Amino acid sequence: SQKIEQNSEALNIQEGKTATLTCNYTNYSPAYLQWYRQDPGRGPVFLLLIRENEKEKRKERLKVTFDTTLKQSLFHITASQPADSATYLCALRPYGNNRLAFGKGNQVVVIP
Amino acid sequence: GAGVSQSPSNKVTEKGKDVELRCDPISGHTALYWYRQSLGQGLEFLIYFQGNSAPDKSGLPSDRFSAERTGGSVSTLTIQRTQQEDSAVYLCASSSGLAGGVGGELFFGEGSRLTVL
Repeated sequence: SQKIEQNSEALNIQEGKTATLTCNYTNYSPAYLQWYRQDPGRGPVFLLLIRENEKEKRKERLKVTFDTTLKQSLFHITASQPADSATYLCALRPYGNNRLAFGKGNQVVVIP
Repeated sequence: GAGVSQSPSNKVTEKGKDVELRCDPISGHTALYWYRQSLGQGLEFLIYFQGNSAPDKSGLPSDRFSAERTGGSVSTLTIQRTQQEDSAVYLCASSSGLAGGVGGELFFGEGSRLTVL
């Protein structure tokens, strides 16, 4: 069956450190992979998109990698700040399908 | 509008009643999606609209759920004879491009929280 797996345990990290989240997928062949941020009681907000032929994508303090051999994406927040505390979701759309499938998300807590 | 608007933001209803949830997407966005998010769970796809037609409604949990979109804009999700397991946050999103691809990032509303007593 198709799965998108993210760590269910919250990541507690000291302010200023780099937070790294993992997204693993099974039985998908996505052309693109996206990352979203969700705050409590709010809808998800798009952060970054990476294509299958891109190894790495950066946006400000965010970095995403995409390894189609390992079927894995890593999401990094460098120089983390308390305002980065949220749940981060990975999402992908397989070929021939118009729906975006989401992982359950991984919570990040940045400790001042 | 500036963003995706959903109403009501909160709805408490009694088991067996019907509810309607409304979504007003970003102007010009041709694609519209409904997702459901239960406590501690991920986003569960319900239905996708391209214009007024729904090419993919395979995520609707039962025939008590239906949705329509009119004028290529506003969408309504209707749940008939609500059950307690329908309690969740219902999220609407719109997109200008093919979901997941370049230009296809989803813009979400704040959701409608449904509680069935």
